[in-house]
Amino acid sequence: QAVVTQEPSLTVSPGGTVILTCGSSTGAVTSGQWPYWFQQKPGQAPRTLIYDTSYKHSWTPARFSGSLLGGKAALTLAGAQPEDEAEYYCLLSYAGARVFGGGTKLTVL
Amino acid sequence: EVRLLESGGGFVQPGGSLRLSCAASGFTFSNYVMTWVRQAPGKGLEWVTAISPDGGDTNYADSVKGRFTISRDNSKNTLYLQMNTLRAEDTAVYYCANIGGSGSMRDYWGQGTLVTVSS
Repeated sequence: QAVVTQEPSLTVSPGGTVILTCGSSTGAVTSGQWPYWFQQKPGQAPRTLIYDTSYKHSWTPARFSGSLLGGKAALTLAGAQPEDEAEYYCLLSYAGARVFGGGTKLTVL
Repeated sequence: EVRLLESGGGFVQPGGSLRLSCAASGFTFSNYVMTWVRQAPGKGLEWVTAISPDGGDTNYADSVKGRFTISRDNSKNTLYLQMNTLRAEDTAVYYCANIGGSGSMRDYWGQGTLVTVSS
């Protein structure tokens, strides 16, 4: 089973920009792996932010965006807000099965 | 409004079985891929299994293959997870979600149900 890697933790200043990445043990992440990004706050269910690399839902704040960057999937947060402090998970597809990354704990400080 | 409501969690001894259910509403259930995701206490998310809209195609994580079975009843708008030969490491909150497919009402999550496997 493939391993999906994320930064364990990142810190961003309020109003700042941060990029979270999602790599794959099998090589470069492609759009065909339908990358997802989820946000989870303590005690809550996850919430989907980004699907299929870069598509947003109606509830996704405009400051979040998804892309492929340097062989990885990337989640960019531009203009961080205190309420963005949370755990972020990516999810990649591998021929039907899917694998989550270990998550990135984002601190806004 | 999309709603996904899991039920069936509880306490079970190692080697035991449990069946989880997820009642769906607010969208055309039979058109969507459905997925089970779990989260062990204090740990990250783990993708467990998914099923195609018509139930004909399923996929499983290696950690549950041969022990868990996903199924759906589109006439009842309900998703199931039959869990057999449970182990302590299966202890987790189990979420159902309509992620991984297509459609305008996709990518919603339930609130989860806790499964505890312990002697």
